[in-house]
Amino acid sequence: NAGVMQNPRHLVRRRGQEARLRCSPMKGHSHVYWYRQLPEEGLKFMVYLQKENIIDESGMPKERFSAEFPKEGPSILRIQQVVRGDSAAYFCASSPLNAQGKNTEAFFGQGTRLTVV
Amino acid sequence: AQSVTQPDIHITVSEGASLELRCNYSYGATPYLFWYVQSPGQGLQLLLKYFSGDTLVQGIKGFEAEFKRSQSSFNLRKPSVHWSDAAEYFCAVGARGSGGGADGLTFGKGTHLIIQP
Repeated sequence: NAGVMQNPRHLVRRRGQEARLRCSPMKGHSHVYWYRQLPEEGLKFMVYLQKENIIDESGMPKERFSAEFPKEGPSILRIQQVVRGDSAAYFCASSPLNAQGKNTEAFFGQGTRLTVV
Repeated sequence: AQSVTQPDIHITVSEGASLELRCNYSYGATPYLFWYVQSPGQGLQLLLKYFSGDTLVQGIKGFEAEFKRSQSSFNLRKPSVHWSDAAEYFCAVGARGSGGGADGLTFGKGTHLIIQP
């Protein structure tokens, strides 16, 4: 069972371009989370998704950022018109449902390191 | 809203010595608590978690943590550290959301562990 897969591992974008970060959850996991890690900081929650449904986007910036988790394919975190301050490591995590149908601990991918130049 | 404080930004320990990393949280009820480890350029690996029951939790790699409700703490311990334990350690709290699981974790800023030979 492969772990949470994120690609690309490293992404360089010029200011004003779009960044697309992909996350394939572990097999059988139906919940995906996106986190952002700035240098010397812990991870900050951004968004929590189920397939075709955003559960909680309270951590997402109001503009330029969007996330989706389609019925088929990976979850995508999209950043439009990137700025230098978007440079960070972006981590995806997925979690399974337990026997009671509740999600439990999150398993993290290795992250995508976005550099805006 | 929940919060996590890791008071020690850096800790240096001699190989073979014991270790304790501090974590204090703020949450209105009994939270879900986690410790993760991150090696440079890597994702996060779950060391251990507390959901309910026994307040002394055993994890992987010889780590343990104790939940103390009266002190709002969840300190991580290891009796004898190895050079391979050098990494960044994150404490996290999860709210008992509508799904009952670890929806949207709140992380501390991390403690950087240095192992002296």
